[in-house]
Amino acid sequence: NAGVTQTPKFQVLKTGQSMTLQCAQDMNHEYMSWYRQDPGMGLRLIHYSVGAGITDQGEVPNGYNVSRSTTEDFPLRLLSAAPSQTSVYFCASRIRQGINQPQHFGDGTRLSIL
Amino acid sequence: QQQVKQSPQSLIVQKGGISIINCAYENTAFDYFPWYQQFPGKGPALLIAIRPDVSEKKEGRFTISFNKSAKQFSLHIMDSQPGDSATYFCAASKDTDKLIFGTGTRLQVFP
Repeated sequence: NAGVTQTPKFQVLKTGQSMTLQCAQDMNHEYMSWYRQDPGMGLRLIHYSVGAGITDQGEVPNGYNVSRSTTEDFPLRLLSAAPSQTSVYFCASRIRQGINQPQHFGDGTRLSIL
Repeated sequence: QQQVKQSPQSLIVQKGGISIINCAYENTAFDYFPWYQQFPGKGPALLIAIRPDVSEKKEGRFTISFNKSAKQFSLHIMDSQPGDSATYFCAASKDTDKLIFGTGTRLQVFP
């Protein structure tokens, strides 16, 4: 099992460009989520999904879109990149059945917006 | 609005010592309190987690202490090792889904 795979690992964009960050998991997890990590602020939830076809907003959703057409994939879209979106982005997934099931994180995408 | 406050921001401990990281939360609806460990260039990985029906949980050298009335919980790392040097995040959530993270503690263990 590869776990949670994020691509690309690094990306530099210019202000106003669009981009999709990819996230795939091979664990058949129903729940998937996107976080951004900024210095001194911990990780903040952007969007999440409890299953294919279902998405919802987290703490900091503005400027980001998501969709969930399959159980395995949960892409994050930046429609018009802004310097404030420079961050490290983490995707996570977990199985929903049972209590205390942990979220498994990918190794992140480091995104710089110039 | 920061719902989970973590301290200290950084911590330096000698090998064999005890590392203690503290967190406080505001939302009494939270019922899941995990600690994550993150190494440079990697994603966070679950270290240990606790539910509010117990006051302490121990796994190897790692212990969570939980004080429901004070709305505080802490991570204790016994016999700290250089390999424990990492950033540690506390978090809280309702039903394990939407995690609210603390701001992180950078731990350095010197031999």
